[in-house]
Amino acid sequence: GESVGLHLPTLSVQEGDNSIINCAYSNSASDYFIWYKQESGKGPQFIIDIRSNMDKRQGQRVTVLLNKTVKHLSLQIAATQPGDSAVYFCAENGDSSYKLIFGSGTRLLVRP
Amino acid sequence: NAGVTQTPKFRVLKTGQSMTLLCAQDMNHEYMYWYRQDPGMGLRLIHYSVGEGTTAKGEVPDGYNVSRLKKQNFLLGLESAAPSQTSVYFCASSYDSRGSDEQFFGPGTRLTVL
Repeated sequence: GESVGLHLPTLSVQEGDNSIINCAYSNSASDYFIWYKQESGKGPQFIIDIRSNMDKRQGQRVTVLLNKTVKHLSLQIAATQPGDSAVYFCAENGDSSYKLIFGSGTRLLVRP
Repeated sequence: NAGVTQTPKFRVLKTGQSMTLLCAQDMNHEYMYWYRQDPGMGLRLIHYSVGEGTTAKGEVPDGYNVSRLKKQNFLLGLESAAPSQTSVYFCASSYDSRGSDEQFFGPGTRLTVL
């Protein structure tokens, strides 16, 4: 069936270092991918998205890379800050243009 | 512009009781969704709506019902609550496929069923 998975359930990084969170997806029909950040006790918050006609998209301190050949998605956070500590979810749209399939999440811990 | 709001924020029910969770959005979004999130897990889709008056089943619809009588509101009902429905419930809304598919989330409702 469709699935979105993550390689690392917990990632610990030093403040100021760059973080890379990885995600694998299984549905070749997915043409939209999105990363959310969820802080404790809050709802998911949009970080960045990318469509399948692109390989890379940059935002403020964040970059999403899409490798369609191996069905891999990554989120790069530059100069990681304590406020970046949260759970990060990737999601894909599968066969639907309006539904998202979420992965189980990766917890990012930033060491001071 | 409040975005997506959810009522209530917390609730404790006894097994067999019923309740309704309310979601409201002021972004004129066409699509609305109800998810549940269990500890250490991602979001699982319960039901969704692609427009006023329409609803559809998601991944885990059993034990829940929904209604979308008004475009801005999406209600999630539990007719006979069970301990397995203890979870955090998130509502989300999105525009349509012509624009971004980004879903905007509410702050969540933490439900405990004893």
